[in-house]
Amino acid sequence: DAGITQSPRHKVTETGTPVTLRCHQTENHRYMYWYRQDPGHGLRLIHYSYGVKDTDKGEVSDGYSVSRSKTEDFLLTLESATSSQTSVYFCAISGKDDTQYFGPGTRLTVL
Amino acid sequence: QQQVKQSPQSLIVQKGGISIINCAYENTAFDYFPWYQQFPGKGPALLIAIRPDVSEKKEGRFTISFNKSAKQFSLHIMDSQPGDSATYFCAASHASNTGKLIFGQGTTLQVKP
Repeated sequence: DAGITQSPRHKVTETGTPVTLRCHQTENHRYMYWYRQDPGHGLRLIHYSYGVKDTDKGEVSDGYSVSRSKTEDFLLTLESATSSQTSVYFCAISGKDDTQYFGPGTRLTVL
Repeated sequence: QQQVKQSPQSLIVQKGGISIINCAYENTAFDYFPWYQQFPGKGPALLIAIRPDVSEKKEGRFTISFNKSAKQFSLHIMDSQPGDSATYFCAASHASNTGKLIFGQGTTLQVKP
């Protein structure tokens, strides 16, 4: 998975609780992305980062925030999880070309 | 707003046959069109990609055909094998947009032995 790890790999939580997902890379790539994958929707971009402390919103950013304090780490936070945020979350990285490399994913269930 | 439309949603092909998946896009600023392959429980992996300056790109059994005027591109898998059974996603992006990919909805391919 091109030096990308995601943690946790699985998580079950309750509605209203905060959740933080972590993406860690060892490739020193500039760009990092968070996507969610849902049946019938493909992958949709939540937030992305183009450098340390430089982040921007994607297509489905409502209810999510991100932080990037180091090149290698990109955190996705659900401030107050809802059932509609039950999904599989993928982190991706890219360097100088347009190729994006995806991590193994985190399966999140919000009860 | 869905900017990349992918079809079919699912596809069943016999071993040795040709699998064809189609995508259509709306934004004429797109200049990078990758295809990703995803196996159950794994993240998507880049399979092959094309830019608008060529109409076709081939890598082994996988070929992308690109029609700029129709704003369509397709993936052809020749001599399909059971190991090709996976979900395939097309995507598009443009260089001025920090590489953000817009994905199609995905196609689940089953290759029967």
